[in-house]
Amino acid sequence: DVKVTQSSRYLVKRTGEKVFLECVQDMDHENMFWYRQDPGLGLRLIYFSYDVKMKEKGDIPEGYSVSREKKERFSLILESASTNQTSMYLCASSLPSGSSNEQFFGPGTRLTVL
Amino acid sequence: QQQVKQSPQSLIVQKGGISIINCAYENTAFDYFPWYQQFPGKGPALLIAIRPDVSEKKEGRFTISFNKSAKQFSLHIMDSQPGDSATYFCAASTNSNYQLIWGAGTKLIIKP
Repeated sequence: DVKVTQSSRYLVKRTGEKVFLECVQDMDHENMFWYRQDPGLGLRLIYFSYDVKMKEKGDIPEGYSVSREKKERFSLILESASTNQTSMYLCASSLPSGSSNEQFFGPGTRLTVL
Repeated sequence: QQQVKQSPQSLIVQKGGISIINCAYENTAFDYFPWYQQFPGKGPALLIAIRPDVSEKKEGRFTISFNKSAKQFSLHIMDSQPGDSATYFCAASTNSNYQLIWGAGTKLIIKP
């Protein structure tokens, strides 16, 4: 079974703090994604990575950065957390394009910024 | 042109009834249309997917209907059960692009 794990299920941080969200997948997938999920807005792509050290901006990258130093690990960084970044964050992974577009998701991290 | 519009936002169906969720797209280059199911506290998981060379795909009680000319596709859940209560997302992509374009989601509640 494909397994995508996220470092925390719930996280509470203060405004201005630097926040790290970690994601690990065990299926040797090339592609990894970070989304945020808000009611009524669906899944919005923050960043994705198609290879180690490669990253591309998604639809809402402002206020976020990412790191992919190893194939199995993709980190989302909030440089200076703000209250409007309170959300559910979902990590996903998939095989390269042309094989299967199925994305496998982790359970999510619910981040609250006070 | 990259949007996928999903409706309704929420849906309540009696046990045993048919649940229908609709999605519409504009980009005619899309050639992969999955539906994902998300239970509370979990990430979304692929439920069923269709490519535009067929007009319908059925897996158990779940059916995707695809209308290429209208640029619409829908999810039908037959004999809906309380265990089907979840949020459902449609999505679309092209075979050459691993990114999925997501609908806004439908929260489905099946009343016993």
